[in-house]
Amino acid sequence: DAGVTQSPTHLIKTRGQQVTLRCSPKSGHDTVSWYQQALGQGPQFIFQYYEEEERQRGNFPDRFSGHQFPNYSSELNVNALLLGDSALYLCASSSLAGGMTGANVLTFGAGSRLTVL
Amino acid sequence: GEDVEQSLFLSVREGDSSVINCTYTDSSSTYLYWYKQEPGAGLQLLTYIFSNMDMKQDQRLTVLLNKKDKHLSLRIADTQTGDSAIYFCAGGTSGGNKLTFGTGTQLKVEL
Repeated sequence: DAGVTQSPTHLIKTRGQQVTLRCSPKSGHDTVSWYQQALGQGPQFIFQYYEEEERQRGNFPDRFSGHQFPNYSSELNVNALLLGDSALYLCASSSLAGGMTGANVLTFGAGSRLTVL
Repeated sequence: GEDVEQSLFLSVREGDSSVINCTYTDSSSTYLYWYKQEPGAGLQLLTYIFSNMDMKQDQRLTVLLNKKDKHLSLRIADTQTGDSAIYFCAGGTSGGNKLTFGTGTQLKVEL
């Protein structure tokens, strides 16, 4: 059973460019969240998608946007890249039904490492 | 916003117990989690504890929660070289996927 898969694994962009990262959730999961992990830091929550809508958002500017498709997969888009956007971007999936009254058991992918030059 | 603090580094000998500590500021966290991250990998959930519990044991792992002091710890018994990794504590509430992570503790297990 495949877990969370993310693509690409590594990419390099230059300042001002735009990037799209992709995530396929674990089978049976319907909710996708994105996290940014800068080097030496813990992950920071960007946003969560459920039923193709953004449900929660962390403290990130509008340059960060996302999308969820009917098959529950998701994309993270970042516009006008800055050097500070260099990080590991982690996708996590879960089952909303499982989390409503209990712990949020998130399954994380291995991440997409973005370098902005 | 919430702050979650961890010590940066811990070194132990193989076979000893490891204790990783975490303090948090937001008392609204319903659940507190411990994740493990190995080089080049994502985060692996190790265990979690409900905020009204004091302790949870899961094989070699013991989680202690002092809600009054907002202090969480993870004890790993009989630490092995395969336990070398970065450990993150995180807090969250029911019904959402927003977790607030600490900065991580790098555990090094020496022979």
